[in-house]
Amino acid sequence: DTGVSQDPRHKITKRGQNVTFRCDPISEHNRLYWYRQTLGQGPEFLTYFQNEAQLEKSRLLSDRFSAERPKGSFSTLEIQRTEQGDSAMYLCASSLGDRATDTQYFGPGTRLTVL
Amino acid sequence: DAKTTQPPSMDCAEGRAANLPCNHSTISGNEYVYWYRQIHSQGPQYIIHGLKNNETNEMASLIITEDRKSSTLILPHATLRDTAVYYCIVRVEGYGGSQGNLIFGKGTKLSVKP
Repeated sequence: DTGVSQDPRHKITKRGQNVTFRCDPISEHNRLYWYRQTLGQGPEFLTYFQNEAQLEKSRLLSDRFSAERPKGSFSTLEIQRTEQGDSAMYLCASSLGDRATDTQYFGPGTRLTVL
Repeated sequence: DAKTTQPPSMDCAEGRAANLPCNHSTISGNEYVYWYRQIHSQGPQYIIHGLKNNETNEMASLIITEDRKSSTLILPHATLRDTAVYYCIVRVEGYGGSQGNLIFGKGTKLSVKP
């Protein structure tokens, strides 16, 4: 399967703990996006990378959130001192970054439950 | 906020065509219409996109009105596996900033029934 992959698929943690999620984009895709989706809502944009550069961060991305894409390939999203309000599905998407065909393809998501 | 309006839910009989409407009355000339769907507990799946002309691929057809203020996604022969939330999104194609991000609304929950 050459699609976007995410790990882990599910994570249960206690409030106050740190968690880290990984996303592997489609090979040769230059752009990588993170979204968050809460129950009954559509996905909401968090941040995106063009290669290794983080070009935009949403206001939803509080100081407890940090994302990296160190070599322009896979990316990690870390949440420090988790809160119950962080419980959500965290989605990763990637795209070629080509102006003409910049369609985003999503991974299966990581479902986070904070107890 | 999402720039599109969709009905919250629709039903369709298996084997029949599913026609999902979307209003985007404030769409700009350089904005594309994208459709994604999300089957329960999975990531969104890209379906199709278009600018002005009608588009067709192996999954669906996209019909955009001449004034571009609305569009319809057509699933020609709906199956039970097409039961999902369908999102209609308008976005600017190109580099940089928030122009590239997808802004999802709540979508239309399509239920395909036997």
